[in-house]
Amino acid sequence: QKEVEQNSGPLSVPEGAIASLNCTYSDRVSQSFFWYRQYSGKSPELIMSIYSNGDKEDGRFTAQLNKASQYVSLLIRDSQPSDSATYLCAVWDSGGYQKVTFGTGTKLQVIP
Amino acid sequence: EAGVTQFPSHSVIEKGQTVTLRCDPISGHDNLYWYRRVMGKEIKFLLHFVKESKQDESGMPNNRFLAERTGGTYSTLKVQPAELEDSGVYFCASSHSAHSYNEQFFGPGTRLTVL
Repeated sequence: QKEVEQNSGPLSVPEGAIASLNCTYSDRVSQSFFWYRQYSGKSPELIMSIYSNGDKEDGRFTAQLNKASQYVSLLIRDSQPSDSATYLCAVWDSGGYQKVTFGTGTKLQVIP
Repeated sequence: EAGVTQFPSHSVIEKGQTVTLRCDPISGHDNLYWYRRVMGKEIKFLLHFVKESKQDESGMPNNRFLAERTGGTYSTLKVQPAELEDSGVYFCASSHSAHSYNEQFFGPGTRLTVL
């Protein structure tokens, strides 16, 4: 079983709609969760981090965490064509090693 | 403030050759990480430096890979001899501290192609 799982997509949404990106993880003791955005050929860029159960909002982005279900999601409201990118879910390994484990990413396409 | 830089941006070598990748972290960042993304797979952790010391090298694939960070500034990752399966994008990241809430800033990556 993969440690961090994401649907590879592509996820296509019309401009102005809500894009919902999902991620599940296998390590129950994981404490920190991140969403990175990666444009084609570019480096990953951190857009959201979340550490506690519930929702965290930042502008058009909302991260949701449910540790009991081992599930983290990212909602993008009022999606724009510029949001088209691959979104990487990442989980902080809270075991003996301090490292980040990534999912394979979900490709989002926002259609004008 | 300059971001994380990596050199070269692309490298094409033949199987059996040696390649050295370089990463310059953000100034003042003690923590430096190497990651690799093989086509179609997730970004995978290779190793973590704290200053010049290897904190965790559990992700290094095998002994053909050697990472160094002399003086605790820039880091190099050498692959010798390179194999076909080493092809991928090698990312470097740095952070001020290793705490889970501390953002890791990624460099643009080096795309390595082994023929």
